[in-house]
Amino acid sequence: DQQVKQNSPSLSVQEGRISILNCDYTNSMFDYFLWYKKYPAEGPTFLISISSIKDKNEDGRFTVFLNKSAKHLSLHIVPSQPGDSAVYFCAAQAGGTSYGKLTFGQGTILTVHP
Amino acid sequence: GAGVSQTPSNKVTEKGKYVELRCDPISGHTALYWYRQSLGQGPEFLIYFQGTGAADDSGLPNDRFFAVRPEGSVSTLKIQRTERGDSAVYLCASSDGINYGYTFGSGTRLTVV
Repeated sequence: DQQVKQNSPSLSVQEGRISILNCDYTNSMFDYFLWYKKYPAEGPTFLISISSIKDKNEDGRFTVFLNKSAKHLSLHIVPSQPGDSAVYFCAAQAGGTSYGKLTFGQGTILTVHP
Repeated sequence: GAGVSQTPSNKVTEKGKYVELRCDPISGHTALYWYRQSLGQGPEFLIYFQGTGAADDSGLPNDRFFAVRPEGSVSTLKIQRTERGDSAVYLCASSDGINYGYTFGSGTRLTVV
């Protein structure tokens, strides 16, 4: 039972353009959502997050959008840079606190071409 | 330490053997998590400690898997009678409970042959 899904295994984008990574979830109890970036042979690194009471959170080149009615979130990277090439995971958390387990999607491999 | 440290970084073991994987969290972080990541998948939750006690062990796949955190800092994940299906990267993470988003270690790649 995959509660968090990233349906695009990979995405290829030209440097300077926008990258849009998508994520869908099924569990209505999720109230916090996070994006992680992972380089080979390293652990995932926290990137940006959003609470379910918001629909947008922005941090520099990264913006996360949440559509609760559609149970969908997306990560926008503008402008994309070659150093952004990595695997991106979305994750969801329930319970209203910063503790507790995360449920991850399968990941999307982003490649940014110079 | 500055980050989450996991040892060993790689472990090859024979089917049926016992293995221990170690995690040193960021100093002062009260919460510690273990995840497992198989090829092409996202990290899958195993167990979470708050201090010395396991607050949620619902992700442990069976009774061959066990984890401890006796002094509320270092944790050890123990796998008995390893099977080839246990081969994966085992990730440890810690958090301070104030900020959302944990800090992960680089993982231990376990290969059961």
